[in-house]
Amino acid sequence: QKEVEQDPGPLSVPEGAIVSLNCTYSNSAFQYFMWYRQYSRKGPELLMYTYSSGNKEDGRFTAQVDKSSKYISLFIRDSQPSDSATYLCAMSAAGGYQKVTFGTGTKLQVIP
Amino acid sequence: GAVVSQHPSRVICKSGTSVKIECRSLDFQATTMFWYRQFPKQSLMLMATSNEGSKATYEQGVEKDKFLINHASLTLSTLTVTSAHPEDSSFYICSATDLAGGPGQYFGPGTRLTVT
Repeated sequence: QKEVEQDPGPLSVPEGAIVSLNCTYSNSAFQYFMWYRQYSRKGPELLMYTYSSGNKEDGRFTAQVDKSSKYISLFIRDSQPSDSATYLCAMSAAGGYQKVTFGTGTKLQVIP
Repeated sequence: GAVVSQHPSRVICKSGTSVKIECRSLDFQATTMFWYRQFPKQSLMLMATSNEGSKATYEQGVEKDKFLINHASLTLSTLTVTSAHPEDSSFYICSATDLAGGPGQYFGPGTRLTVT
């Protein structure tokens, strides 16, 4: 069993839809949870990070962490074609200073 | 802020030669840098963790003599692929942590290596 599981998609939604991206994990030691966006043939871009359980909002993006269920989510409101990319969840026990475990990524396509 | 650059962005080399990839943090000091490898439609595979002024820590299965990492300063780490073979062709990405910027890692744009 992988430490981090993420549905690879692809996920296609119409422009303006609310997108829900999810990851599950098995390592109880994970405390930091991150979401990255990766465009084709580019390096990942850090979108958001949260510590422990709870919600965090940044513009159209909301990250949720439920440590009791070992489940994290990223919601994108009013999705735009420019949001089309691969989204990777990532998590670690000690933040980015040490090893981070990535999900395989979910490919999202927002159709105009 | 937190910009990481990589050079070159693409490189083609012949089998048996060595290739050096540079990773620089442009606007912050990075005591720790990471090197990843990414295959098509797969996630990032951590190769090694590099700390300024000390030897890199390699992940299991990564040949340290083949993938030489040097972290000579707080803004520069290099990965040298020695005696490259076609199976080394991949997308190599570095990342760095900015202690002042939070727990996330900031990634470079990646280097596409093709070994012929």
